[in-house]
Amino acid sequence: AQSVSQHNHHVILSEAASLELGCNYSYGGTVNLFWYVQYPGQHLQLLLKYFSGDPLVKGIKGFEAEFIKSKFSFNLRKPSVQWSDTAEYFCAVNGPRGNTDKLIFGTGTRLQVFP
Amino acid sequence: DGGITQSPKYLFRKEGQNVTLSCEQNLNHDAMYWYRQDPGQGLRLIYYSQIVNDFQKGDIAEGYSVSREKKESFPLTVTSAQKNPTAFYLCASSALDREETQYFGPGTRLLVL
Repeated sequence: AQSVSQHNHHVILSEAASLELGCNYSYGGTVNLFWYVQYPGQHLQLLLKYFSGDPLVKGIKGFEAEFIKSKFSFNLRKPSVQWSDTAEYFCAVNGPRGNTDKLIFGTGTRLQVFP
Repeated sequence: DGGITQSPKYLFRKEGQNVTLSCEQNLNHDAMYWYRQDPGQGLRLIYYSQIVNDFQKGDIAEGYSVSREKKESFPLTVTSAQKNPTAFYLCASSALDREETQYFGPGTRLLVL
């Protein structure tokens, strides 16, 4: 069965530090990949997604993620975090393509950014 | 203003009681989903529906029931058979296109009295 691993459960950074959150998935076929963010008290929002094409995907608020097929990874990055990036981040994988019943989520990474 | 609405924001359940969570979307999406979010466990799929009058069990369907009588609506009932219902419940919808991006509602927090 498809699974998604987020190895960082809780990350604490100071403002302006660089961020990389890991995401690995198990399915070897064609997949859609997503990062969602949940700010405190707000609903889950789409941060970015990979469907096809350029493996480096740009999202909102300066986030980006790189799809590395050989490593089954889709890590999220931001060069300089802000206090407002404090949130919980979820990686999700949908596959095989066309199988809408299986958007599998990782367990989430809680990011705390201190001024 | 398009989107997904869930009500109520907070819901309290007594022992042995069934409660129903509402989810409505005006995005004209064919597919709708219910997830349960627990701390440290991410989101787990309860039920999903790709078409009116049809739905499928997800990974943790026991103790829950759904209906899909209208395209816009996908209510979730938490039955008395669900022994640990305290959680945050999220509804989502998606178009049945190649990208299948799911968009989420604001959630309902269910608490047991």
